[in-house]
Amino acid sequence: GALVYQYPRRTICKSGTSMRMECQAVGFQATSVAWYRQSPQKTFELIALSTVNSAIKYEQNFTQEKFPISHPNLSFSSMTVLNAYLEDRGLYLCGAREGPANTEVFFGKGTRLTVV
Amino acid sequence: QQKVQQSPESLIVPEGGMASLNCTSSDRNVDYFWWYRQHSGKSPKMLMSIFSNGEKEEGRFTVHLNKASLHTSLHIRDSQPSDSALYLCAASKVTNAYKVIFGKGTHLHVLP
Repeated sequence: GALVYQYPRRTICKSGTSMRMECQAVGFQATSVAWYRQSPQKTFELIALSTVNSAIKYEQNFTQEKFPISHPNLSFSSMTVLNAYLEDRGLYLCGAREGPANTEVFFGKGTRLTVV
Repeated sequence: QQKVQQSPESLIVPEGGMASLNCTSSDRNVDYFWWYRQHSGKSPKMLMSIFSNGEKEEGRFTVHLNKASLHTSLHIRDSQPSDSALYLCAASKVTNAYKVIFGKGTHLHVLP
């Protein structure tokens, strides 16, 4: 079956520091990886979409300078939250797909970021 | 701007009752709809997908899609306490195939 392992599950970082989260796809080829943030205020926001052999596309209000993403192959992706502040708190989820359009997104279990 | 709108935000139904959840896209170019379910503390998992007009049934779950109005609905009959979860509607387009946008979700609570 298709699985996405995401780690760490939880992390606490000091305000102004950075943290990195990673996702590993198993059982399928992660042709595209999308990073989402789930928070009580704004629920499910798309941060950026990374597709192999294409540039990473960031949504409005999210930038590469703040959330750099790496997607070097068909099984791995990482995202870093740079200079984390309180408003960056939330559950970060990576969702990977093998094909386009009508294929299912498989999610990791999420990385819960707490900023203190 | 949220392009996938879900209603209601929260829904309480008694065990054995019918739960009806709604979702509309404000983007007229949407081609595909999904429903995902996320139990507390877990990752979202796909429940059902629907790509063409009409109805699709899987066990206690039925989804409807009206492409003209870009509206989809999920109906859960004989609701069980284990159905209590956040239900997320998602949509994507053929022209931007890899991008999937999610709605804010409906919190379903099934009371025993």
